[in-house]
Amino acid sequence: GAGVSQSPRYKVAKRGQDVALRCDPISGHVSLFWYQQALGQGPEFLTYFQNEAQLDKSGLPSDRFFAERPEGSVSTLKIQRTQKEDSAVYLCASSSSGLSNEKLFFGSGTQLSVL
Amino acid sequence: SQKIEQNSEALNIQEGKTATLTCNYTNYSPAYLQWYRQDPGRGPVFLLLIRENEKEKRKERLKVTFDTTLKQSLFHITASQPADSATYLCALDHNNDMRFGAGTRLTVKP
Repeated sequence: GAGVSQSPRYKVAKRGQDVALRCDPISGHVSLFWYQQALGQGPEFLTYFQNEAQLDKSGLPSDRFFAERPEGSVSTLKIQRTQKEDSAVYLCASSSSGLSNEKLFFGSGTQLSVL
Repeated sequence: SQKIEQNSEALNIQEGKTATLTCNYTNYSPAYLQWYRQDPGRGPVFLLLIRENEKEKRKERLKVTFDTTLKQSLFHITASQPADSATYLCALDHNNDMRFGAGTRLTVKP
């Protein structure tokens, strides 16, 4: 595709509900990243995939957060039993290789509001 | 603990002046440092990358420096324009992923 696509753009959930956020990276991009961005803050690293392998999930705040990329392209970030503190923008980014000098291409994010 | 600190939350300057933004880091050893621009409601957009063995990098009105001794990067926008108003984020490579600072919100006034 032309860029990184995220859906939905906005999600409102009641506390306790499960949500699934989708990321379509740029076609052929090897690396995929998830970040959480609170209002007025920078993106906080959540997890990183190289193809289908999840190489780093150290940033996931709790075991309620789970990410997958089963075929090495589309990724889903799932949050179980959402809490108010989960309210944030969730950004997905991809890069063309697994090298650390590659620039990241970001989607516009999913704004999650937990009521 | 590891920290990435950007000098101020907000910076206001007059059109035509040079904006200078600072990024300091602690307990990281980055081989690369990147700068991104983020507009409201959008994801960050890549601007420049500088390697640890490079002192300075330029792109049009943008200039980045990287001092691994001071653990600091400076980001300059010369001849600033109102369209440069945005949040600017620095990011460091860390184990093949990127870690971001909180950003500096730049406002350029006409």
